[in-house]
Amino acid sequence: AQSVTQPDIHITVSEGASLELRCNYSYGATPYLFWYVQSPGQGLQLLLKYFSGDTLVQGIKGFEAEFKRSQSSFNLRKPSVHWSDAAEYFCAVGPNTGFQKLVFGTGTRLLVSP
Amino acid sequence: DTEVTQTPKHLVMGMTNKKSLKCEQHMGHRAMYWYKQKAKKPPELMFVYSYEKLSINESVPSRFSPECPNSSLLNLHLHALQPEDSALYLCASSQDSLRGNQPQHFGDGTRLSIL
Repeated sequence: AQSVTQPDIHITVSEGASLELRCNYSYGATPYLFWYVQSPGQGLQLLLKYFSGDTLVQGIKGFEAEFKRSQSSFNLRKPSVHWSDAAEYFCAVGPNTGFQKLVFGTGTRLLVSP
Repeated sequence: DTEVTQTPKHLVMGMTNKKSLKCEQHMGHRAMYWYKQKAKKPPELMFVYSYEKLSINESVPSRFSPECPNSSLLNLHLHALQPEDSALYLCASSQDSLRGNQPQHFGDGTRLSIL
């Protein structure tokens, strides 16, 4: 069965500092991987996705993520955080065949300090 | 701006009421989803419609009744809900429920409170 682990419940980063949010997955093959962001009172917005090919993927809002098969990880990064990035971030895994049921991690809440 | 529109944004109802949540998308997607999200938790899948047919029901209580009138619309009919059903209800759509390289797009949700 697929599973996703986001080990950090909360992370606080100073504005302008770099950010890395961790995501580890468990899946028998290479899954489809996603990062979503949820601002308070909003739905989930897709930041980026990985299906195959280049292991470094670029997303919206200056985010990027790197797929590392050997570590079963798909960590999200941003070189300089803005106050508006404060939100909940969810990593999700989907199978590469069959019905696309997303398995979400428990989320990481990002706080941005001045 | 989200491409998946949900109404209403907020809904307060009593346990004996009947109400409906609505979701609309105009991206030509053929798969639509209902999720339930409790505070500080990830979304939990409830139902999936694929080509206007219910394909997945994640053992959701019958007091929740989904309906897909056409490929752009998805409803969730509510009746005799319990206080524990208070949550954010999210609608999502994707090109096809069997193609993982077509990600799901979410609406902003309906915040439901059961009195």
